[in-house]
Formats: sequence, structure tokens, C-alpha cells
Amino acid sequence: NIVLTQSPATLSVTPGESVSLSCRASQSISTSIHWYQQKSNESPRLLIKYASQSISGIPSRFSGSGSGTDFTLSINRVESEDFSIYYCQQSYSSLNTFGAGTKLELK
Amino acid sequence: QVQLKESGPGLVQPSETLSLTCTVSGFSLTSYSVSWVRQPSGKGPEWMGRMWYDGDTAYNSALKSRLSISRDTSKNQVFLKMNSLQTDDTGTYYCTRVDYSGGPFDYWGQGVMVTVSS
Repeated sequence: NIVLTQSPATLSVTPGESVSLSCRASQSISTSIHWYQQKSNESPRLLIKYASQSISGIPSRFSGSGSGTDFTLSINRVESEDFSIYYCQQSYSSLNTFGAGTKLELK
Repeated sequence: QVQLKESGPGLVQPSETLSLTCTVSGFSLTSYSVSWVRQPSGKGPEWMGRMWYDGDTAYNSALKSRLSISRDTSKNQVFLKMNSLQTDDTGTYYCTRVDYSGGPFDYWGQGVMVTVSS
């Protein structure tokens, strides 16, 4: 199975800061990584697909980068509505897997 | 618009079988695949299995011996059955639409909380 390791587990920031969240794969997965945001008591929402492709309706402050084993979700100037948990997911393998998540919290 | 909605019992006895239904609207099951994803409370999601648009299925190897996914295209429904439930099967179960590329999950249902307890 492809293991996705997300870091940090928790990130404490103040609104207006820009942040980077990391997702590392246990083997090369090209750009088959997707990012989701999950707010408390809600379903996950797709933010970025295939490492860097934007999704309609998602604010432009969210962007993604990376290929191979190292991937980054960047949020430019965090807003209050962004405090939630972020997960990465790989579809390179037919056995899709998710990371354990990074919680973005208010400092 | 695209919608998915899960339904099923909220409480299942240990060793019993879980049966869930995902009713979809706004797209065709013969054009898009649907996956089941579950999430224990406070943990990351786990992909369970997929009903491909062509009727084929794929399962997480860790669950394959207990899991079955089927569909009724005339009713726009996808079904999940999992037997021999244990307490660590407790969590929220989601059905999701798979993006046309076959990769990400672009739409999610609201989820159904399933508790395995006697």
C-alpha cells in the first residue's frame, strides 16, 4: 500500500499568514495526489486535483505543487473560514489511500 | 445538480451485516464511478471500494473478504454490504462520485454515522 505522511499534524496560524502543508508518499506517484478540506461535522471537499489543478468554485488562495513523492498545499493569506483539517489522497494505486490530515487551527 | 445521499441503519450489532444505500442524482451511474469511503471519528478517511461506471468493482484488499458493492442503475442507487462487523468498523460512511478521470472524489454525500455496538 502507498502510505501518505502529512506534516505537520497541527499548524497554528493567525489570519493573514500564508502556509504550506506537506504530503509525502512512500513511493513515487507522479502527480496523482488530490487535496481535500474537511470542516467540523462536514463532508470533505475537493480543493486541488492532480497535484496542482484548480477546482471550480475553490478560492484562488489555495494552490498545490509537487510531483513524485513530495507535495505541498499552499494557502495564501489564511482566512478565518480556512481553519479545518486538510487531507491528501492518492489515486496512483488502485488501492486509493489518504493521509492522516493536517489540522489548521487559530493561533 | 449532483447529489449523493447515504441511507441505512445507525446501529449495527457486532458480527452482523451492514447494508447501506447511496442514492444519486444529477449524473448517470453508467457515466461515473462511485466509491465508498469511511472515516472513524477523529481519523483520516479510508477508501473501501468502487463501483465503476461499467459495472465492474474494486475493493480495498483489507476489506475485500467482507465487502460487496452493487448497483441498480434504474433506481440510481449503489449498495454496500459488509459482514462480520466489529467495533472498529464504527464511523461515518460516505459515498462519493469519482471524477471523470477516475482519480479524485469530486462530490461527497453527507455521510451516515454507523455505530457497531451491542
